[in-house]
Amino acid sequence: EPEVTQTPSHQVTQMGQEVILRCVPISNHLYFYWYRQILGQKVEFLVSFYNNEISEKSEIFDDQFSVERPDGSNFTLKIRSTKLEDSAMYFCASSRDRGATPNTGELFFGEGSRLTVL
Amino acid sequence: AQKVTQAQTEISVVEKEDVTLDCVYETRDTTYYLFWYKQPPSGELVFLIRRNSFDEQNEISGRYSWNFQKSTSSFNFTITASQVVDSAVYFCALPGRGYNKLIFGAGTRLAVHP
Repeated sequence: EPEVTQTPSHQVTQMGQEVILRCVPISNHLYFYWYRQILGQKVEFLVSFYNNEISEKSEIFDDQFSVERPDGSNFTLKIRSTKLEDSAMYFCASSRDRGATPNTGELFFGEGSRLTVL
Repeated sequence: AQKVTQAQTEISVVEKEDVTLDCVYETRDTTYYLFWYKQPPSGELVFLIRRNSFDEQNEISGRYSWNFQKSTSSFNFTITASQVVDSAVYFCALPGRGYNKLIFGAGTRLAVHP
């Protein structure tokens, strides 16, 4: 069964360092997302991406964050200068469509990348 | 605004008990979809169900069942004869306006004890 894969599974970094989290979405999916979950808290939307541009982003997704689809398969999240409060599990997700029609919109999530900022 | 409320933070049951997880939502959309996801201790998010607002029939899948009531804006999830493997955090979710994202509730942590 096709799945979303994320690397690394865990990254430890020093405050102020740049981090890139990588995701390989399911191959025939067109919509891509990043979510984050601070330990023990809710899953928060960061950004959605379609047709090589951001569809929507949350207040969390400030200038320190960027996303890119550098080739036909990878979808990356970059944090330019990490802060302590960026420590969280970051989930990549993809979907075949946006979900505006019946029986669509299911998001498939990767297993997450745990980021620890020291 | 789109909002999902899961008022139960944690539920603890003994194996074989039935348990219901509550989900109340707010939406301005007249047609919409609702989702449940499971997050086991390993951390991944597993899709369980998607329902659309056209269909208020209850859905059953094995030991899982969902009760969707538009009149009370609720989409509750029942596990019958719970098992230890059901221990997880369960999230209810609703698409944001424009369908560019899912909005998750705070989650309910279910602990099933042997």
